[in-house]
Amino acid sequence: DAKTTQPNSMESNEEEPVHLPCNHSTISGTDYIHWYRQLPSQGPEYVIHGLTSNVNNRMASLAIAEDRKSSTLILHRATLRDAAVYYCILRTFGNEKLTFGTGTRLTIIP
Amino acid sequence: GAGVSQSPSNKVTEKGKDVELRCDPISGHTALYWYRQSLGQGLEFLIYFQGNSAPDKSGLPSDRFSAERTGGSVSTLTIQRTQQEDSAVYLCASSLYPGAEYGYTFGSGTRLTVV
Repeated sequence: DAKTTQPNSMESNEEEPVHLPCNHSTISGTDYIHWYRQLPSQGPEYVIHGLTSNVNNRMASLAIAEDRKSSTLILHRATLRDAAVYYCILRTFGNEKLTFGTGTRLTIIP
Repeated sequence: GAGVSQSPSNKVTEKGKDVELRCDPISGHTALYWYRQSLGQGLEFLIYFQGNSAPDKSGLPSDRFSAERTGGSVSTLTIQRTQQEDSAVYLCASSLYPGAEYGYTFGSGTRLTVV
């Protein structure tokens, strides 16, 4: 599977937008970009995924670069409950295994 | 149910004993996955079930580990002759269908401690 690169940690103020970047320069044409987050002592939680176009759901937005070599998860208004480790993962067609990297630990400052 | 349910939530066992971990996926989800997460580590794939197809067992770390999925629904992960290195959080996930275009729903996990 193609690899992703994320910053180890980020901080953001409460009630402000958060932009979490992910680089995936070796992405292939059929790879989907998935984001999960893991709150302390919980299992991972699906956030959003996309292929080429930007995506919005009730949790977040996903902005995908035109060349698909990078993407950004956008939390529009961070709350303390958004403090978690965020994982950017590429899902390859035909491969059912998720490969989690080290993710970005997001800290929300009250 | 509304989510993926795993039981027990915590299990402490003595080295050498067998343990069974249970997963109830979301009703109607055809794909079921087991992962484990050791302290401070990332998720490690163990096994994947899809419908009535033969499971993908390529992630099972040894022949002490086995899993089954009965009736396309509930799954049980069995660890025989547990070792201390088996201590981890065992996570189950399900997906409506397999494929990169679908997301997983994870359970809260079973924390296994081998003493």
